[in-house]
Amino acid sequence: RKEVEQDPGPFNVPEGATVAFNCTYSNSASQSFFWYRQDCRKEPKLLMSVYSSGNEDGRFTAQLNRASQYISLLIRDSKLSDSATYLCVVTHAGGTSYGKLTFGQGTILTVHP
Amino acid sequence: EAGVTQFPSHSVIEKGQTVTLRCDPISGHDNLYWYRRVMGKEIKFLLHFVKESKQDESGMPNNRFLAERTGGTYSTLKVQPAELEDSGVYFCASSRSGLASGANVLTFGAGSRLTVL
Repeated sequence: RKEVEQDPGPFNVPEGATVAFNCTYSNSASQSFFWYRQDCRKEPKLLMSVYSSGNEDGRFTAQLNRASQYISLLIRDSKLSDSATYLCVVTHAGGTSYGKLTFGQGTILTVHP
Repeated sequence: EAGVTQFPSHSVIEKGQTVTLRCDPISGHDNLYWYRRVMGKEIKFLLHFVKESKQDESGMPNNRFLAERTGGTYSTLKVQPAELEDSGVYFCASSRSGLASGANVLTFGAGSRLTVL
């Protein structure tokens, strides 16, 4: 079983739609949680960190449920420029490799006119 | 500030040859990471440098891979001899020291795509 599991999609939605991605992680000792975005043939870029209380950044809302080991990302009012692969990422507690990230396989989103 | 720079952007070599990938992190970032994505799989951690020291190399696939970071600045990742399954995209990333300073906030380079024929 993969440590971080995501629905690979693809999700095809029209502009203006609301879309939600889910992610589960298997290691209960996971400490930090992130959503990264990766455009085709580009590097992953941090979209947002995910906090236990939930957090919002403009049209993007992230939620974390530690009990269920579940992370979500909600995108409201989708734009064409939101088309990308969204990567669910976790880190584990302990040690000093804070940047030792465990990636999900990614969820592909295509927003069409 | 300049980002993380990787070279070459794409390398095509034959099985058995040697390839060296280079990464220049953001200036002042003590942490440097190598990751790899092979076709159809998720991005996976290879190793972590703090300055010139290897902090964690648990993700290195085998002893055909050698990473160095002399002087704590740029890093190289050498694959010798290359095998077909080494094909993929090798990403380098860097971050500041200390969790409070964003040690877990990584900036990735554009990657080096390796094709082994």
